[in-house]
Amino acid sequence: NAGVTQTPKFRVLKTGQSMTLLCAQDMNHEYMYWYRQDPGMGLRLIHYSVGEGTTAKGEVPDGYNVSRLKKQNFLLGLESAAPSQTSVYFCASSYSSFDEQFFGPGTRLTVL
Amino acid sequence: AQSVAQPEDQVNVAEGNPLTVKCTYSVSGNPYLFWYVQYPNRGLQFLLKYITGDNLVKGSYGFEAEFNKSQTSFHLKKPSALVSDSALYFCAVRDGGDYKLSFGAGTTVTVRA
Repeated sequence: NAGVTQTPKFRVLKTGQSMTLLCAQDMNHEYMYWYRQDPGMGLRLIHYSVGEGTTAKGEVPDGYNVSRLKKQNFLLGLESAAPSQTSVYFCASSYSSFDEQFFGPGTRLTVL
Repeated sequence: AQSVAQPEDQVNVAEGNPLTVKCTYSVSGNPYLFWYVQYPNRGLQFLLKYITGDNLVKGSYGFEAEFNKSQTSFHLKKPSALVSDSALYFCAVRDGGDYKLSFGAGTTVTVRA
């Protein structure tokens, strides 16, 4: 099993550009999450999904959109990137909300 | 609202000595508590969790944590630290009625040989 994979691993954007981060999991997990990690701030939840076709806002959702059209995939979109969105983005999945989350390797995004 | 505090940004210990990483939490309901470790340029890896039951939880790589309800703490411990334990450690909490995890800011552990 590959576990949780993220595409791409690195990306540099200019202010105003758009992009989509792809997360895929092969563990048949219902729950999927997108976090951002910034120095000294831990991980902050952007959006999450409790099943195929469902999404919900987390702690810092502004400037991001998500979609979960297939159970195994969770996409994070930035419609108009801003320098404040420079961060490392992690996707995670879990079987239920009681279970531990499995994390992907992360995407390092820089917005100039 | 739920929150987690990790009062120490850094913990430095000598190899072979006991290691403790502190965590306190705040929830309105029953807490579900987790510890994760992050090695450089990697995603987070699960170490252990407390859902219910025995207050002493044993996890991966020789780590354990003690749930203390009266002190609202969930400190991570290892009796004898290894150089390979050097990493960033995160405590996380979920309120019983919520789907979301809240993470602490993280504690950097350095184990010197």
